[in-house]
Amino acid sequence: QVQLQESGPGLVKPSQTLSLTCTVSGASISSGNDYWSWIRQPAGEKLEWIGRIYASGYVSYNPSLKSRVTISIDTSKNQFSLRLDSVAAPDTAVYYCARGKWLHFAHDYWGLGTLVTVSS
Amino acid sequence: DIQVTQSPSILSASVGDRVTITCRASQSSSSWLAWYQQKPGKAPRLLIYRASNLEDGVPSRFSGSGSGTEFTLTINSLQPDDFATYFCQHYDSSSFSFGQGTKLEIK
Repeated sequence: QVQLQESGPGLVKPSQTLSLTCTVSGASISSGNDYWSWIRQPAGEKLEWIGRIYASGYVSYNPSLKSRVTISIDTSKNQFSLRLDSVAAPDTAVYYCARGKWLHFAHDYWGLGTLVTVSS
Repeated sequence: DIQVTQSPSILSASVGDRVTITCRASQSSSSWLAWYQQKPGKAPRLLIYRASNLEDGVPSRFSGSGSGTEFTLTINSLQPDDFATYFCQHYDSSSFSFGQGTKLEIK
């Protein structure tokens, strides 16, 4: 059973950096052509895709967030991470990590999500 | 950027009903359209991929259809476990867009 779990601080101050890690179990993060995404959802709003990374290290980002986002992967730990710089209140959201399938571009496994609040 | 509009936002129905949820893309594109179910405190569950393909383990009362700019999720013979929030996801040009979500409530 594939499981993903997000971890990281639940509170970040404005202008600082949000850092989250997703730990994958039940599957190898470096196998096949799967990719690994970060997705967020502010309260009462729709989901927003942040970006994705392949085991090769290839990344692609949402153009609206590209200037502030870095996604990295650590195959030795079966983890991938999100870094979002210069956060502000609108970055407050539940952050999800998920596995994507290149064959059909759907995300078949998701974490439970973690709430990150940006506040001083 | 392709925008995705999902409707309705809220849908009231009874056990045994047949319901349909729609996602519209702002321009005609690929059929890389997926549907998910989400319940409070749970991870989203993939139901349908590539517009009409049922994910393994998903009951056959769920079906998806559509192409171009309009896609639908149909649930036949609603079961108590189906009352949840549903959202669509579109993929095009290396980017993903999500619908606003549909909350399926018991009437």
